[in-house]
Amino acid sequence: DSGVTQTPKHLITATGQRVTLRCSPRSGDLSVYWYQQSLDQGLQFLIQYYNGEERAKGNILERFSAQQFPDLHSELNLSSLELGDSALYFCASSPRPMNTEAFFGQGTRLTVV
Amino acid sequence: KNQVEQSPQSLIILEGKNCTLQCNYTVSPFSNLRWYKQDTGRGPVSLTIMTFSENTKSNGRYTATLDADTKQSSLHITASQLSDSASYICVTWGGGADGLTFGKGTHLIIQP
Repeated sequence: DSGVTQTPKHLITATGQRVTLRCSPRSGDLSVYWYQQSLDQGLQFLIQYYNGEERAKGNILERFSAQQFPDLHSELNLSSLELGDSALYFCASSPRPMNTEAFFGQGTRLTVV
Repeated sequence: KNQVEQSPQSLIILEGKNCTLQCNYTVSPFSNLRWYKQDTGRGPVSLTIMTFSENTKSNGRYTATLDADTKQSSLHITASQLSDSASYICVTWGGGADGLTFGKGTHLIIQP
């Protein structure tokens, strides 16, 4: 158990809908990262937050947004969902940005039908 | 563009055998390189992390090597076990705020 908690584990929704994925980082970790992993694809970095502020942005679509709250948990919001958004979404956390090991949650499997 | 290329894409070996996975990267500047193990449908778990000044690092039956001059890394698994069946992902960090660069992974299958 990495200490990073993601909910829900599975999510099935229809095209055009909006969903929210939640991540609770390890106790004491200030950085949260979101990644997308599509079938047979490598992990794609979406966005990073550090102590409540956006720190780095990767290949995140405009339909997606995220935030980190004062208690350090983070939410990833996906809207106007398309079939191609079906993927595993991972959250990772680390004490400091980037230069330390990142610990991954178990992921949320999103299926858009 | 920063890239991480891994080979082979997939590998099947018999239990008890050794194997070596390769990673070539073009990330520049380079700060560190990590190897992760990802079981199917689960989150990646870190095996090793090496800075540019480190040549080798071991974690049990896993030994990672790094050649920062040729921008190559390898992960050697000795005396493979069935539980080693997983994807092994090479990840680099350039030290900037633009995130990590992930390889697509090598899918390793250990057969009894």
